[in-house]
Amino acid sequence: KQEVTQIPAALSVPEGENLVLNCSFTDSAIYNLQWFRQDPGKGLTSLLLIQSSQREQTSGRLNASLDKSSGRSTLYIAASQPGDSATYLCAVNAGNNRKLIWGLGTSLAVNP
Amino acid sequence: DAGITQSPRHKVTETGTPVTLRCHQTENHRYMYWYRQDPGHGLRLIHYSYGVKDTDKGEVSDGYSVSRSKTEDFLLTLESATSSQTSVYFCAISDGGLQETQYFGPGTRLLVL
Repeated sequence: KQEVTQIPAALSVPEGENLVLNCSFTDSAIYNLQWFRQDPGKGLTSLLLIQSSQREQTSGRLNASLDKSSGRSTLYIAASQPGDSATYLCAVNAGNNRKLIWGLGTSLAVNP
Repeated sequence: DAGITQSPRHKVTETGTPVTLRCHQTENHRYMYWYRQDPGHGLRLIHYSYGVKDTDKGEVSDGYSVSRSKTEDFLLTLESATSSQTSVYFCAISDGGLQETQYFGPGTRLLVL
């Protein structure tokens, strides 16, 4: 059974720091992996999607990498800003009817 | 932002009463999903739909039913609400294409007393 783990559960950094959020999964037979952002009391917003054949995806200050063989993905945030404060969720698509398997998220606080 | 709305946004109800949550999309996406989000459990899939009148169960479907009579609407019904169904409910949609990104609604906070 696919399981997704995110470490750390919470992270607090000063503004301007570069940081890495981690996501691991137990079954390497994935279709794609997605990173989402959730602001308090809000819905989820898709940040990056990496297909199983890709190694990384970039969007602005965000870069996500995927290593299927080791069952790991990282989300790199460059030059963090207070507006980046949110919970970041990782989800794996195992290809089974488009259902996603979710991690519990990393709660990020970027302090001015 | 994808055109997804959920109604109601907040609801307080009593144990044993039926509750229906509505998800409405304007994107004409084929797939629609209902999730619940609880502390310590993350997001869990309740039911999903892959077309009009085509639905299937997710991992926590007991006590819930769904219906999709039109492409744009996906209804989640709690037949007889229980306190364990107190949660935040999210609707999501996807086009089922290669990218398969899911777009989420704003959520419904349900409190069952």
